[in-house]
Amino acid sequence: DVKVTQSSRYLVKRTGEKVFLECVQDMDHENMFWYRQDPGLGLRLIYFSYDVKMKEKGDIPEGYSVSREKKERFSLILESASTNQTSMYLCASRLRRNNEKLFFGSGTQLSVL
Amino acid sequence: QQQVKQSPQSLIVQKGGISIINCAYENTAFDYFPWYQQFPGKGPALLIAIRPDVSEKKEGRFTISFNKSAKQFSLHIMDSQPGDSATYFCAAETRFRAGNNRKLIWGLGTSLAVNP
Repeated sequence: DVKVTQSSRYLVKRTGEKVFLECVQDMDHENMFWYRQDPGLGLRLIYFSYDVKMKEKGDIPEGYSVSREKKERFSLILESASTNQTSMYLCASRLRRNNEKLFFGSGTQLSVL
Repeated sequence: QQQVKQSPQSLIVQKGGISIINCAYENTAFDYFPWYQQFPGKGPALLIAIRPDVSEKKEGRFTISFNKSAKQFSLHIMDSQPGDSATYFCAAETRFRAGNNRKLIWGLGTSLAVNP
């Protein structure tokens, strides 16, 4: 089975800090995604990447950036964390062709104080 | 603008009953309709999916019904069990863009509680 691993299950940061959320997948997937999940708002796409060094903005990219230097790793960066970025962050990946199934990590619950 | 509308927001069902969650979409270009199941503390996982060339797909106790003309699809959970208590998301996708650039459009989710 595909494994999508997020580096931290819980994270507490202070306002203004730079925050890195790491995601690694082990199945050579080309597409990787970062979502945030908030009660009543469902899953909102922040950024996605369809190849190494490629990235595309999702629906709510403001305040975030991403990095994909290696195929298996996709990092989400909060340049200057704010309290409204307190949320559950979910990473997902999938194959490029003929396979639309998304594999999710277990999520990182980020609290910004 | 939300392109996939999911209802109800929450649902309580007795053990053994039928759970029904509905989704409606707007974009007629959508050609893939998955349902994801999420347990507390876990990421969503694909439960079942359907393409518009069929009107129904069944996997065990889970069935998707698809109505292309009405632009609606629904998830039916037969003989609902307490272990089915989770959040369910519907989604839709088009492959009309270049293969790398597809992305899922999600419903807002339904929290299902099955009482013992």
